[in-house]
Amino acid sequence: DGGITQSPKYLFRKEGQNVTLSCEQNLNHDAMYWYRQDPGQGLRLIYYSQIVNDFQKGDIAEGYSVSREKKESFPLTVTSAQKNPTAFYLCASSVQGTGTASPFFGPGTRLTVL
Amino acid sequence: AQSVTQLGSHVSVSEGALVLLRCNYSSSVPPYLFWYVQYPNQGLQLLLKYTSAATLVKGINGFEAEFKKSETSFHLTKPSAHMSDAAEYFCAVSPPGANNLFFGTGTRLTVIP
Repeated sequence: DGGITQSPKYLFRKEGQNVTLSCEQNLNHDAMYWYRQDPGQGLRLIYYSQIVNDFQKGDIAEGYSVSREKKESFPLTVTSAQKNPTAFYLCASSVQGTGTASPFFGPGTRLTVL
Repeated sequence: AQSVTQLGSHVSVSEGALVLLRCNYSSSVPPYLFWYVQYPNQGLQLLLKYTSAATLVKGINGFEAEFKKSETSFHLTKPSAHMSDAAEYFCAVSPPGANNLFFGTGTRLTVIP
């Protein structure tokens, strides 16, 4: 079955450590996205990529980094520069990065900083 | 700038009653509009979307939404609520030519037996 895999489902990190969240899709989608979800704030875009080896910052990119070396993979690194990283992180993909292509979402990774 | 307003962060309805979740957008050009549903600790699932075809859009699980340009609204409705409809619902907008979605803050729906 086609879909998006995010791992791990739960992740714990000590302050000052970098951590990488995995996102893999087998939908053959060109565009991929990372969103952050906090209670009462909806989803906010961190980074997006429309094509391999290219990505753009979203609204809250500070303290995060991404890579897009393969079409199927779009890992997100939460660095120690992110001041408040505890949140639910959602990866998504779409056929193309235009408005009519509704993104398909993965199950999410819940990150907790101890 | 694009924005989406969802009136009511929490909505409670009785089982079998009408569900109405409100969404208003701000845009100088009619955007593309979406409703997603999220169950606890899961990702988002697309319910329906408006992409400038019919103004009344039918989605999954008996939900529908009507695009009203004059009111800049895209409210989500379902004639009869089921217990399984309890979840959080997000309205989202994408301006024509944009590369991502802008989400509202969500409405948590509770269904009372």
